[in-house]
Amino acid sequence: RKEVEQDPGPFNVPEGATVAFNCTYSNSASQSFFWYRQDCRKEPKLLMSVYSSGNEDGRFTAQLNRASQYISLLIRDSKLSDSATYLCVVNPFQGAQKLVFGQGTRLTINP
Amino acid sequence: NAGVMQNPRHLVRRRGQEARLRCSPMKGHSHVYWYRQLPEEGLKFMVYLQKENIIDESGMPKERFSAEFPKEGPSILRIQQVVRGDSAAYFCASSPPNPAGEQYFGPGTRLTVT
Repeated sequence: RKEVEQDPGPFNVPEGATVAFNCTYSNSASQSFFWYRQDCRKEPKLLMSVYSSGNEDGRFTAQLNRASQYISLLIRDSKLSDSATYLCVVNPFQGAQKLVFGQGTRLTINP
Repeated sequence: NAGVMQNPRHLVRRRGQEARLRCSPMKGHSHVYWYRQLPEEGLKFMVYLQKENIIDESGMPKERFSAEFPKEGPSILRIQQVVRGDSAAYFCASSPPNPAGEQYFGPGTRLTVT
């Protein structure tokens, strides 16, 4: 089983739609969680950290469910510029600083 | 504030040659990480360094690969005797001294082995 699993997609949704991604992780001791986005042939960029209480940043909402070991990302009112690959990322051990990346979910927003 | 810098951005090497990839962390960041992304795959951790110390190299291949982060100058990822399977994007990331976990990535070096 992969440490971090995501549906690779692709997701094709119309502009303005709401889209949600889920991700599961295998290590129950994992300490911190993030969503990154990666545009084609570019570096990953931090989108947001994910907290147990859930957090929101504009049109983006992230949720963490430790009991079920899954993380979600919700994008409301999607824009063409949201087209990218979304990476679910986990820091698996307290004190360790290696990030474990999911394979990514590809999203295309259509006009 | 300049971000993480990597050079070269593109590197072509013939099989058997050496590849040297350089990374300068963000100003104020003392932790450096190297990741590799093979075509159509996710990023894989390779090594975590602080100044003059390798903290975690659990993701480094046992042979041909080495990394350093000297007291002065950039971090270097060295690949000796490259093979076609080393062709990938190599990303460097950095984080501040008291990291909350977020890492900030450089633009990457795309290595092509011919």
